[in-house]
Amino acid sequence: AQTVTQSQPEMSVQEAETVTLSCTYDTSESDYYLFWYKQPPSRQMILVIRQEAYKQQNATENRFSVNFQKAAKSFSLKISDSQLGDAAMYFCAYRSGGTGGFKTIFGAGTRLFVKA
Amino acid sequence: SQTIHQWPATLVQPVGSPLSLECTVEGTSNPNLYWYRQAAGRGLQLLFYSVGIGQISSEVPQNLSASRPQDRQFILSSKKLLLSDSGFYLCAWTKKGGTNSPLHFGNGTRLTVT
Repeated sequence: AQTVTQSQPEMSVQEAETVTLSCTYDTSESDYYLFWYKQPPSRQMILVIRQEAYKQQNATENRFSVNFQKAAKSFSLKISDSQLGDAAMYFCAYRSGGTGGFKTIFGAGTRLFVKA
Repeated sequence: SQTIHQWPATLVQPVGSPLSLECTVEGTSNPNLYWYRQAAGRGLQLLFYSVGIGQISSEVPQNLSASRPQDRQFILSSKKLLLSDSGFYLCAWTKKGGTNSPLHFGNGTRLTVT
């Protein structure tokens, strides 16, 4: 079974600085998708960024980018120019790319604090 | 555009009482539907998913059940709530057939069983 591990329960960053959140996963599949979701205090889950495993190029969405290392099964999220609104729980998630790819598996989350 | 509605937002129920949480999706047809539960300070645990009307897959043996009476309606139920059923429940949908389709979540229901 696939697992997703986020080893940092909490992280802190100064406003305007850069922070990297770690995520590793375990799978024997070669076709899959990876996601980062953000959960602010409102608890609304918001997609931050997604990565297809077959793509070597790292995904980027404005200030958010990933470092996808397929061989190492690592999928870290980098937030540049951190803003107060970035404070939230961040969840790394995995989904199989096969025909049974209905289930998205989540890590335990990393709580990000942004200091003014 | 697609929207997902989930209600109620907050619910306080006594142990042994029944439960019904409802979720509807608008603006898309034949979605995959999901119920997740999030314990305090924890990640999301998949409870049920559905790929079509009347088709329910259970991921965790428990006191809960799910039903999909209509294409875009997903209901989470219990006949008798337990204290351990307390948590934050999230309904979500994805596009059919698109495994890179992200989950689109409702606003969640905070359930407290007393």
